[in-house]
This record gives sequence, structure tokens and C-alpha cells, in this order.
Amino acid sequence: AQSVTQPDIHITVSEGASLELRCNYSYGATPYLFWYVQSPGQGLQLLLKYFSGDTLVQGIKGFEAEFKRSQSSFNLRKPSVHWSDAAEYFCAVGAWSSASKIIFGSGTRLSIRP
Amino acid sequence: GAGVSQSPRYKVTKRGQDVALRCDPISGHVSLYWYRQALGQGPEFLTYFNYEAQQDKSGLPNDRFSAERPEGSISTLTIQRTEQRDSAMYRCASSLGPPTDTQYFGPGTRLTVL
Repeated sequence: AQSVTQPDIHITVSEGASLELRCNYSYGATPYLFWYVQSPGQGLQLLLKYFSGDTLVQGIKGFEAEFKRSQSSFNLRKPSVHWSDAAEYFCAVGAWSSASKIIFGSGTRLSIRP
Repeated sequence: GAGVSQSPRYKVTKRGQDVALRCDPISGHVSLYWYRQALGQGPEFLTYFNYEAQQDKSGLPNDRFSAERPEGSISTLTIQRTEQRDSAMYRCASSLGPPTDTQYFGPGTRLTVL
């Protein structure tokens, strides 16, 4: 069965600094992968997704993620964070064999230091 | 509508009561999903509909939980004989077509069972 691990529960970075949020997945075949963002009191919004092809995926709000099969990782990056990026970030994995089910990680809460 | 809507946004009930949570997906979206999200956790898959057919209900925790989507649009998640452990945020999502399409999430219903 597929699973997702987000090892960092809470990260604080300074405004303008670069960001990398870690995500590791477990799945026997090629997964499809997502990053979602959840702001306080809001629903989840898709930042980006990877299904196949180019392993570097560009998303909204200046985010990108790189699929590394050898490391079973799909880390999220942003070169310069803004105070509005403070939120909870969820990595998720889906399996082609059970395409209806997406498994979410437990999330990483991002705080921005002024 | 413009997005996925859910009602009520907040529900407080007493243990043993039945509750019905409603999801109104984006117009034209074929696929509909229910998730449960505990505090500090990522969403947990409950069930998935393709039009009116419930294709996957493997995430429903027990037979007190049921869901329907009789006309392929609005869906209702019903929890019978609620227990305190049912307290969580219940989220609905919809997508245009196959589960690999982007899922758009509603704001959720916060259920509190006293």
C-alpha cells in the first residue's frame, strides 16, 4: 500500500529565504504525486502535481517540486518565500491501480519570520 | 457554483445522534470524494463517487458511516449513532473526470460530538 511521509512537522523560515519541504513516498510502481496548501480556515488548494514526464514540476505561487524516483522523494521548493506563504502544506500520493484513493501526508506547518 | 460548497460549516451534536453532511460539487464535475481530517493530520480518504455510483468506499471506518449521491450531483455523508471519536473536519472534493484530475476541495464541515 502506498504511504507518504513528511518528516518535518513545523518549519520556520525568514521572509525572502528559500524553502524546501520534504516528502517521501512508498509505492511499488510509478505513483502520481501532489502538493496541496491549506491556509487557516480554508480548503485545500492544489499547488502542483506530477503524473509522468518531466520530473521537475512547476506550480502556482512560484512553487516547484522535483520527483526523484531513486530517493522516493517529491520535495517542494520555493526560491524566496513571502509572508503569505505561511500555511500547512500536504504532500499526497495516488496509485494508478487504485486511482480513486489519494493518500495524504500528515503535513508540514510553515511559519514565516519577518 | 464557483467552488465546492459544504453545509453546515459547523455541527455540534450529542453522542448517539445521527448527522448528515452535505456536499455540493462544482457543476459538471463527475467525480466526488469524501475525506476526514483529524486535527494535525492530513485528509484521510473515505469514499469516492463516479456520477451516482459509489466506486470505492474502502475508507469508511465502519457501518455507521454511509454516503450517497443519488442524482450524480449533491452528496450526503451520514454518520449514525455518532461517537466522540467521530469529531473531525469532514471535507468534500470534486474533479472534472477521472480521479487523476485535479481535486477541488470544499471548506469542510467541522463536526464536534459531545
